[in-house]
Amino acid sequence: TQLLEQSPQFLSIQEGENLTVYCNSSSVFSSLQWYRQEPGEGPVLLVTVVTGGEVKKLKRLTFQFGDARKDSSLHITAAQPGDTGLYLCAGAPGGKLIFGQGTELSVKP
Amino acid sequence: NAGVTQTPKFRVLKTGQSMTLLCAQDMNHEYMYWYRQDPGMGLRLIHYSVGEGTTAKGEVPDGYNVSRLKKQNFLLGLESAAPSQTSVYFCASSYAGAKKTEAFFGQGTRLTVV
Repeated sequence: TQLLEQSPQFLSIQEGENLTVYCNSSSVFSSLQWYRQEPGEGPVLLVTVVTGGEVKKLKRLTFQFGDARKDSSLHITAAQPGDTGLYLCAGAPGGKLIFGQGTELSVKP
Repeated sequence: NAGVTQTPKFRVLKTGQSMTLLCAQDMNHEYMYWYRQDPGMGLRLIHYSVGEGTTAKGEVPDGYNVSRLKKQNFLLGLESAAPSQTSVYFCASSYAGAKKTEAFFGQGTRLTVV
């Protein structure tokens, strides 16, 4: 069974702070994805990382795929209250899309 | 553009009752998935389908059955509901292909079993 472990599970920070969320596995993934979910809604894709060592930037969000393709990280610079939500990493071994347990982020003004 | 539509959005069941959740997508996606979401557990895969007429078990399949008779629809059934099945259920769909399997989600169904 391929598992995705996220840390931390909860994160409460002040506006303007930086943060990093981690997604780790003992298995190799051909790609990893990051989704964001707001209360009462389904998750929405933020990014897909495919190549080991790849770095992708989405405004203040930076995503990195580990060299060995077993882990990924999400870094948010100067967090804003609008970043509040549940962040989920996901992988699709053989098309079976599985998720980590999520990181619940709260950014206070 | 409807995307992924789940029916119903809310439901309360008594223990032992049965029900079917319907998921419909209009994007001609091959893959469809059913998840349950509980606090602190992320999304756990119940069953999934890689094409019309095919289904497969996910991480937590016990107590659920599914059918994919038409490409656009994926049904999740609870034959005898239990309080442990109280959860928020999400359906998703995606194009085939493991590397860039972006999934599109419905709005969720909040199910309470009393």
